[in-house]
Amino acid sequence: QKEVEQNSGPLSVPEGAIASLNCTYSDRGSQSFFWYRQYSGKSPELIMSIYSNGDKEDGRFTAQLNKASQYVSLLIRDSQPSDSATYLCAVNMKRPGGSYIPTFGRGTSLIVHP
Amino acid sequence: DVKVTQSSRYLVKRTGEKVFLECVQDMDHENMFWYRQDPGLGLRLIYFSYDVKMKEKGDIPEGYSVSREKKERFSLILESASTNQTSMYLCASSRTGRVNTEAFFGQGTRLTVV
Repeated sequence: QKEVEQNSGPLSVPEGAIASLNCTYSDRGSQSFFWYRQYSGKSPELIMSIYSNGDKEDGRFTAQLNKASQYVSLLIRDSQPSDSATYLCAVNMKRPGGSYIPTFGRGTSLIVHP
Repeated sequence: DVKVTQSSRYLVKRTGEKVFLECVQDMDHENMFWYRQDPGLGLRLIYFSYDVKMKEKGDIPEGYSVSREKKERFSLILESASTNQTSMYLCASSRTGRVNTEAFFGQGTRLTVV
């Protein structure tokens, strides 16, 4: 079965530090990778997408992709208490019928303490 | 902005009842999905649809069915609700393709079966 793996955490970092979240995936043919943030009791919200090897930066967020190692990461610089949430890694994986469907990791809980 | 709207935020149903969860999106997306989310298990795909009247089983379809009569609407049906179907249900939509196909979520429906 095609899978997306994340460390469940919690990952605890002090305010102002860099938080590093990691994800591995099993389908070598995947081409689309996403990070979602989910606050408790809310639905997932897209924060980053990445499609090519290397880094992609958006404000305090940097997504990193290494297709050879089947590895995706998310760095959050200058972490704030408001960043405390569960971060979900999603990979579009090919289903038996040929469609590419988002497959989610179980999420990493991030706690940013003052 | 993409908008995915689920008909109810909270539902309480009795065991054995037939339950309908409705989802509507306004971005003309081809793909629509139903996931359930449980603590420690992450988001699990129940069913998805890639076109009107077309559907495919996800990873946990047992006890559920779906209907997509119009492109913008995707319904999840619990034929005979059971207590193990108590969960958060999340609807999402996306465009067809392998890249640039991030999924957008509705606000979620928390279903309790008593």
